[in-house]
Amino acid sequence: GQSLEQPSEVTAVEGAIVQINCTYQTSGFYGLSWYQQHDGGAPTFLSYNGLDGLEETGRFSSFLSRSDSYGYLLLQELQMKDSASYFCAVRGRNYQLIWGAGTKLIIKP
Amino acid sequence: DTGVSQDPRHKITKRGQNVTFRCDPISEHNRLYWYRQTLGQGPEFLTYFQNEAQLEKSRLLSDRFSAERPKGSFSTLEIQRTEQGDSAMYLCASISQAGTGGTEAFFGQGTRLTVV
Repeated sequence: GQSLEQPSEVTAVEGAIVQINCTYQTSGFYGLSWYQQHDGGAPTFLSYNGLDGLEETGRFSSFLSRSDSYGYLLLQELQMKDSASYFCAVRGRNYQLIWGAGTKLIIKP
Repeated sequence: DTGVSQDPRHKITKRGQNVTFRCDPISEHNRLYWYRQTLGQGPEFLTYFQNEAQLEKSRLLSDRFSAERPKGSFSTLEIQRTEQGDSAMYLCASISQAGTGGTEAFFGQGTRLTVV
């Protein structure tokens, strides 16, 4: 079967740094993506790792270790607008996405 | 606005009725995907088109579901004989011709289906 595990909820303080972990077991792996989704909104792309290592995009970074079937999303200088659900998703052969259940990020002032 | 539009945004239907949703992807994107998302869960892949060809269907896609992309542009998803378990958000996404990594999928706002 295919499964992705990520924490259901994370709480952090405005201005802080938070890390959201993701472990996966999938048949066929072509990369790990991260998406943000606000309540009632569409998922929006944040980051993609096709190879091991760290990808940095502004305040967001994502890491992948294929040997450990593990990745994480790092959000720095948290802002209230970052309150949302964050999903890791494994990319399949046809670029379809297999998703985790999502991590709800709660940011407190 | 990602450039992917879905219609309608909301649909309430009685159990047993048929419904059809439409997705207009970004015009130059040849890959189109349908996903279903229920509350508190991640989206689940349903089906994939490359141009007009439906190349992959999930086992989640029962025979009551059918999707088309007749001219390789817009796509429709039809659910026949709807059941209460079909209540969900139906999301459409498009991707340009894939090259290297950085495969960003652009999602529409979704169609929220409620079966009563």
